[in-house]
Amino acid sequence: DQQVKQNSPSLSVQEGRISILNCDYTNSMFDYFLWYKKYPAEGPTFLISISSIKDKNEDGRFTVFLNKSAKHLSLHIVPSQPGDSAVYFCAASPGGSNYKLTFGKGTLLTVNP
Amino acid sequence: EAGVTQFPSHSVIEKGQTVTLRCDPISGHDNLYWYRRVMGKEIKFLLHFVKESKQDESGMPNNRFLAERTGGTYSTLKVQPAELEDSGVYFCASSQDSPGIGEKLFFGSGTQLSVL
Repeated sequence: DQQVKQNSPSLSVQEGRISILNCDYTNSMFDYFLWYKKYPAEGPTFLISISSIKDKNEDGRFTVFLNKSAKHLSLHIVPSQPGDSAVYFCAASPGGSNYKLTFGKGTLLTVNP
Repeated sequence: EAGVTQFPSHSVIEKGQTVTLRCDPISGHDNLYWYRRVMGKEIKFLLHFVKESKQDESGMPNNRFLAERTGGTYSTLKVQPAELEDSGVYFCASSQDSPGIGEKLFFGSGTQLSVL
């Protein structure tokens, strides 16, 4: 039973355009959401996060949007760069004292020059 | 500052053998986590240490897996005896403060375990 779902295994975009990665969750107890980026042969690297009390968080080229009623979040990368090519994992946590991340399967983003 | 270090990076063993994975967290990080990614599936939580104490081991698959963190520094994860379904990438992560909103996990590069 997957509680965090990334339904697109891969996404290809042109350099300079917007990349939109989507994530859906089912567990209403999740109140903190994160995006991690992973290059081959490396561990996941924290990218950006959002608390359930917000609906948007922005950090440079990266913006995460949260729609709690739809249990949906998305990561926007504008403008996309070839160095952004990686696997992006959506993760969620109930927060509190047990920081146990539940991950999606990941989306492979390829940004073409 | 050194990141989270895992050893070995790759391990190939036969079914029934024993393997021990090691993780050195970032210096000063009391919180240490083990996660696993089986091929084609999501990264799954295994357990969480606070210093040398197991805070949550609800993700451990079965009693063939034993995690330790003696002295509250590095941690080992032993699989004995290994089965085919144990193959995957084992990630270790650490964080400085008590878990909670806003606390980032820093991941190591992982150990790729292949059980033949």
